[in-house]
Amino acid sequence: DSGVTQTPKHLITATGQRVTLRCSPRSGDLSVYWYQQSLDQGLQFLIQYYNGEERAKGNILERFSAQQFPDLHSELNLSSLELGDSALYFCASSVAPGTYEQYFGPGTRLTVT
Amino acid sequence: DAKTTQPNSMESNEEEPVHLPCNHSTISGTDYIHWYRQLPSQGPEYVIHGLTSNVNNRMASLAIAEDRKSSTLILHRATLRDAAVYYCILRDPSGGGADGLTFGKGTHLIIQP
Repeated sequence: DSGVTQTPKHLITATGQRVTLRCSPRSGDLSVYWYQQSLDQGLQFLIQYYNGEERAKGNILERFSAQQFPDLHSELNLSSLELGDSALYFCASSVAPGTYEQYFGPGTRLTVT
Repeated sequence: DAKTTQPNSMESNEEEPVHLPCNHSTISGTDYIHWYRQLPSQGPEYVIHGLTSNVNNRMASLAIAEDRKSSTLILHRATLRDAAVYYCILRDPSGGGADGLTFGKGTHLIIQP
């Protein structure tokens, strides 16, 4: 158990819909990262937050957005969903940006039908 | 970002040592070498990291070439639980705190009983 929790574990929704994925980082970790894992693209970094502020963006689509709240939990919002958005979404946390190890949650499996 | 090259797959026997290679010929002086692994149906898991010197922890050892253009992750006594995809990743802490991980395809390690 990494200490990072993600909800829900599974999500099935239709094209065009909007969903919110939630992540609670390990206690004491200030940095949160979101990753997407699909069969064709592999594991891709989406976005990073540090202490409530956006720190870096990766391959995140404009239809996707995220935020980190004062209690440090984070939410990833996916809108206008397409079939190709079906993937595993992982959240990770670390003490701070830098070379510190990232601890990954169990993931949310999103299926868009 | 400096890239890494790993074999697609490797096979080893249980209770034998495993040496997982990684080439990173374009590594910069500030890049740290990190290893993560992903067990089936789980999120990635930190294994080890280093800069120049060889490193040991309870999970593995990391041997870094003198010119830093390659490294080897060593599992001293593989068990069936070590069957996973292993990722070698370069991280530069001088990037202003923007440090989402860039995952390649990794090495799929198969352990035979």
